[in-house]
Amino acid sequence: DVKVTQSSRYLVKRTGEKVFLECVQDMDHENMFWYRQDPGLGLRLIYFSYDVKMKEKGDIPEGYSVSREKKERFSLILESASTNQTSMYLCASSINYGYTFGSGTRLTVV
Amino acid sequence: GQQLNQSPQSMFIQEGEDVSMNCTSSSIFNTWLWYKQDPGEGPVLLIALYKAGELTSNGRLTAQFGITRKDSFLNISASIPSDVGIYFCAGLVTGANSKLTFGKGITLSVRP
Repeated sequence: DVKVTQSSRYLVKRTGEKVFLECVQDMDHENMFWYRQDPGLGLRLIYFSYDVKMKEKGDIPEGYSVSREKKERFSLILESASTNQTSMYLCASSINYGYTFGSGTRLTVV
Repeated sequence: GQQLNQSPQSMFIQEGEDVSMNCTSSSIFNTWLWYKQDPGEGPVLLIALYKAGELTSNGRLTAQFGITRKDSFLNISASIPSDVGIYFCAGLVTGANSKLTFGKGITLSVRP
């Protein structure tokens, strides 16, 4: 069964900390995505990548960066966490149309 | 940019009832997808539609790709408690490096 694994289900971090959210897929997919999900706002695309070492900004990239050094791993980085980055973060991968999502990381910034 | 409209934000139904959700857009999409997100999990693909007018079923779920390519609907028949969750529509304009556009989702509650 294909899998997208997010390293943590729950994280609590302090304001100003550097935060790494990790995502690994075992499907050899080229495309990987990071979304955040907030009540009433749906899924908002932060960054995506179509290949190793390639990244593109999504709709809300401010305050975030990403890294894709290997095909199977896509990391989301919060350079200096702020309370308005408290959210559910979802990683997805795809080869064509059907995205496979991870279970999400619920991040709380205090 | 492209937007998909789903409303209302929440729906409440009685177990056993049928429910219909639709998704509209001002833009044309050539693929429509419906996802369900269980509480505490990531979204999972339910149904994919690739052709205008296409009607596809998956168990108690039926989805249709609108003729105009600007809308889609999802029907759930004989609802059960495990149908609870958030239902997202998503559209795609196929092409190099294309990506999905998601609706904001409808939260479905089923009363036993």
